[in-house]
Order: sequence, then C-alpha cells, then structure tokens
Amino acid sequence: QVQLQESGPGLVKPSQTLSLTCTVSGGSISSGSYYWSWIRQPAGKGLEWIGRIYTSGSTNYNPSLKSRVTISVDTSKNQFSLKLSSVTAADTAVYYCARNRIAAAALYFDYWGQGTLVTVSS
Amino acid sequence: AIRMTQSPSSFSASTGDRVTITCRASQGISSYLAWYQQKPGKAPKLLIYAASTLQSGVPSRFSGSGSGTDFTLTISCLQSEDFATYYCQQYYSYPPYTFGQGTKLEIK
Repeated sequence: QVQLQESGPGLVKPSQTLSLTCTVSGGSISSGSYYWSWIRQPAGKGLEWIGRIYTSGSTNYNPSLKSRVTISVDTSKNQFSLKLSSVTAADTAVYYCARNRIAAAALYFDYWGQGTLVTVSS
Repeated sequence: AIRMTQSPSSFSASTGDRVTITCRASQGISSYLAWYQQKPGKAPKLLIYAASTLQSGVPSRFSGSGSGTDFTLTISCLQSEDFATYYCQQYYSYPPYTFGQGTKLEIK
C-alpha cells in the first residue's frame, strides 16, 4: 500500500520561501509509472493543483504559480519537494502531495498524503 | 484553463435520500473526469474516474455519468458517512488540472 507523507515548517514569514517534502513509502518513486503532484487548499476553499514531477525530473506547473514554484525529486530518498517563493498570506493553505498514473486516461489522483498546514505570517 | 463548475454549492439531505451533484466543464473533456469525497480534516478520496468507473473499494451506491461538458455524481441511498464535500476534477487538458469548487452535502 503506497503512502505519502508531507513534512516541513508550519509557519513561514511573508516574502520568504515555503519548502515542503513528500516522502513516499510502499512503492518506488522511480518506478516510472507515476507523476507526483502538489495540491493546496486554503481553509474553507477548493483544491488548486500546483504542479507535478516525473521521476526523470521533468516538471509541469500551474501557470498561475509557475514563476514562484520549483518541484524537485530525490529518488535516493524516495522523496519529492516543493518550493514556493515570495509567499504572502494568500499562500496559507493545507498542502497535499498526491500521485497519478502517467497514462493520459489515468491522470486522476489515486493516493494522497494527509496534508500539512502552512501558515504565512510574520 | 478549463473551468469546472459544480452545482449546487451546498445542500441538505436526509439519510436514505437519492442525491445528484452536477459538474459542468467550460469546454469538452470527453470522459476525463474524476470525483472525490473529502471529509473535514482529511485528504480527498478518489470515488470515480473516467466519469463513471468506480474506484476499488467504493460502495456501489455511488455512481457517475456524463461526457463532454456535463457530468453527474449520484448517491443512491445516502448513508451517514456520505455527508462530506464532493469535488470533480478534469484531467483532459493540463496544465493545469482543475477542480470544481466543491459541493458540501449536509444532514437535513
């Protein structure tokens, strides 16, 4: 059973960089069959896809966040990471990592982490 | 980006009711649509993909239909554990993947 677990600081100051890591267990991030995504959800609001990475390091980002987002992968640790720069209060949200298969017909998210709340405040 | 619009945004129902939630895409997405259930403080859970295929382990009282721009999620006989927020997601055109704004199902 695949499990994903987010980790990182719960509080980030405005203008700084938010950094989170997702650790994958029960399966290899290098299997080549999946994309690994970050998704966020402000309190009481809907879901926003941030971006995804493939085991090769190839990335795709949401155009609305692209200038501030970097997603990277560390296959030796079975982890992938999110960096979001120049944060403001609007970036306060629960951040989820999630998995989807690479087949075009299977790009839904079948496994999710439990989520981690990141608050942007001075 | 493809915009996904759900209706209603919230509504109340009773245990045993049959309920239907609608999701409309701003352009055709074939059957590349998924439905998720989210309970407070929890991650979304995949219910249905390819518009109508039930994810393994999901009760058969959940069903999905539609293609193109209009989709529905139906719960045939509401159980107490079904009161939650439901989201649709398109995966036809990306980036970005996009979600509906959610439909909150509350107990009447």
